Amino acid sequence: QSALTQPASVSGSPGQSITISCTGTSSDVGSYNLVSWYQQHPGKAPKLMIYEVSKRPSGVSNRFSGSKSGNTASLTISGLQAEDEADYYCCSYAGSSTFGVFGTGTKVTVL
Amino acid sequence: QVTLRESGPALVKPTQTLTLTCTFSGFSLSTSGMCVSWIRQPPGKALEWLARIDWDDDKYYSTSLKTRLTISKDTSKNQVVLTMTNMDPVDTATYYCARMGPSCYAYYFDYWGQGTLVTVSS
Repeated sequence: QSALTQPASVSGSPGQSITISCTGTSSDVGSYNLVSWYQQHPGKAPKLMIYEVSKRPSGVSNRFSGSKSGNTASLTISGLQAEDEADYYCCSYAGSSTFGVFGTGTKVTVL
Repeated sequence: QVTLRESGPALVKPTQTLTLTCTFSGFSLSTSGMCVSWIRQPPGKALEWLARIDWDDDKYYSTSLKTRLTISKDTSKNQVVLTMTNMDPVDTATYYCARMGPSCYAYYFDYWGQGTLVTVSS
């Protein structure tokens, strides 16, 4: 199972909105509404930000939103803040007992 | 409050077997629908799912590493153990355990341990 494809880096100024794409195939992202997104600050464990494409766990800011179209999922961060600077990973169920195909990761920089 | 913590050797030699333990609290693997996964992350690289064990002792492995991995649980101790045989320098990574929650059918990882860095070197 190949990793999902994400842009290596995305940047934006405080207050702006940015979108991170996550491209898979018809065997993973395209087949299931089971995409999740994780935020990872340096030296820290990943933190769940979005699950089932667009749902936010309790405690996660509503500035984070998710969507999907075909084989590509997206994470949008609106009102960008300095604390959003981190690495972000998407993840999808891929069937056949493959419970987590992760993306290549995107480094978000707040200018 | 759900917590997970990984433990194991920081350094292993090539060809050795790695044994990692995940000790958790706030949930029980004897509860129907609960499951725990192992995930790793080489330095500066992406996350990689390794294995999962369910409350009913069903086990699932990454296709690429299936022959080298064994996952098991000790419900009485709230622990999940991962063994990886024939370690190689490319297996150098931070190894995380994570709950797939709030049930196995959620297909996302809601709680993570802090991770343990394992270096493979002679």
